[in-house]
Amino acid sequence: DAKTTQPPSMDCAEGRAANLPCNHSTISGNEYVYWYRQIHSQGPQYIIHGLKNNETNEMASLIITEDRKSSTLILPHATLRDTAVYYCIVSNSGYALNFGKGTSLLVTP
Amino acid sequence: DTGVSQDPRHKITKRGQNVTFRCDPISEHNRLYWYRQTLGQGPEFLTYFQNEAQLEKSRLLSDRFSAERPKGSFSTLEIQRTEQGDSAMYLCASSLAPSRDYNSPLHFGNGTRLTVT
Repeated sequence: DAKTTQPPSMDCAEGRAANLPCNHSTISGNEYVYWYRQIHSQGPQYIIHGLKNNETNEMASLIITEDRKSSTLILPHATLRDTAVYYCIVSNSGYALNFGKGTSLLVTP
Repeated sequence: DTGVSQDPRHKITKRGQNVTFRCDPISEHNRLYWYRQTLGQGPEFLTYFQNEAQLEKSRLLSDRFSAERPKGSFSTLEIQRTEQGDSAMYLCASSLAPSRDYNSPLHFGNGTRLTVT
């Protein structure tokens, strides 16, 4: 599976949009981009995934560049409960996920 | 939605002892996964089952690690002759894979934290 690069940490003010970037320049054609998050002392939680089109669900939006070499997870109105580690994962299996170290997002009041 | 359940939540054991963890997946999910997470790192895939068949076990960390899912429902992960380096969070996840080409997102439990003294 392709490797991803994420910033180690980010801050966001409560109520503002949180935009979390991810680089995956070696992604191959059959690999999906997955986003999970992990709140302290809990297991990871699935957020969203996509192949090439932008995706939106009740939690977030996923924007994938046309060349698929990078993506951005958008939390439209961040709350304090969104403070977590966010993992961007590229995989063609969907299960043997390489989580990496992720981005630690801190939402501040 | 009862979610994925793991037992125990915490386990403290002495080096050299055997430990066993249990995972109960979401009832309709046919796939079950084990991951390990050490401090400051993301989860690391270990093995997975489709129903009772263990389809991938090459990433189990050593032959001291074994997993079973005897009736395609709950699963156990056993570590024999524990070492201090085995101290970690052991996470279980499940998913529904109705076909070879589709796998639903993974639902994780809250893990079993193992401390080896």
